[in-house]
Amino acid sequence: DIQMTQSPSSLSASVGDRVTITCRASQSINRYLNWYQQKPGKAPELLIYAASSLHSGVPSRFSGSGSGTDFSLTISGLQPEDFATYYCQQGDSPLWTFGQGTKVEIK
Amino acid sequence: QVTVKESGPALVKSTETLTLTCTFSGFSLTTTGMRVSWIRQPPGKALEWLARIDWDDDKFYSTSLQTRLTISKDTSKNQVVLTMTNMDPVDTATYYCARTPGVKTYFDFWGQGTLVTVSS
Repeated sequence: DIQMTQSPSSLSASVGDRVTITCRASQSINRYLNWYQQKPGKAPELLIYAASSLHSGVPSRFSGSGSGTDFSLTISGLQPEDFATYYCQQGDSPLWTFGQGTKVEIK
Repeated sequence: QVTVKESGPALVKSTETLTLTCTFSGFSLTTTGMRVSWIRQPPGKALEWLARIDWDDDKFYSTSLQTRLTISKDTSKNQVVLTMTNMDPVDTATYYCARTPGVKTYFDFWGQGTLVTVSS
């Protein structure tokens, strides 16, 4: 199975900060990489699909980039509602896998 | 309007078989490209993809759990069923059902999840 490794596992940031989370695949996944946001007690929500496409209704401060094995999610101007856990997920192989998550906390 | 909802027992005992049902509306699993997956999340831990069934009845399972999982669909009822055999306390988790549209590889609609606790 393709392994997905996110870094960091957690980070502390302030409102207004620019935050970048990275996700590395154990083999090339082309651009089949998606990002989700999950708040406590809630189901995950799709943010970015196909590495860099913004899902409908997602604020433009969220952006994604990368291809092959290395990807990143950037939040430009962190807002109070952005404090959450973020997961990457690959869809290149028939068997899909998630990263271990990155928790974004308030500094 | 797409909705997805999971249902099943809140509590099962070790060695028992878990059966979960995903009931959805607003789309059909007879539509080309449509897919439905099951994903779980132990308390305080990461998401884990478990299984997927496609519109053409192709089925895919997590390598680590494939011997214990069976996924099926009932298109007349708009339901997807997941069974997991030989349950263990480590299988305690919130189990989610999620839709993937149009031969894509992401989850655009999720259910609220159902917490399953396994007692020893």
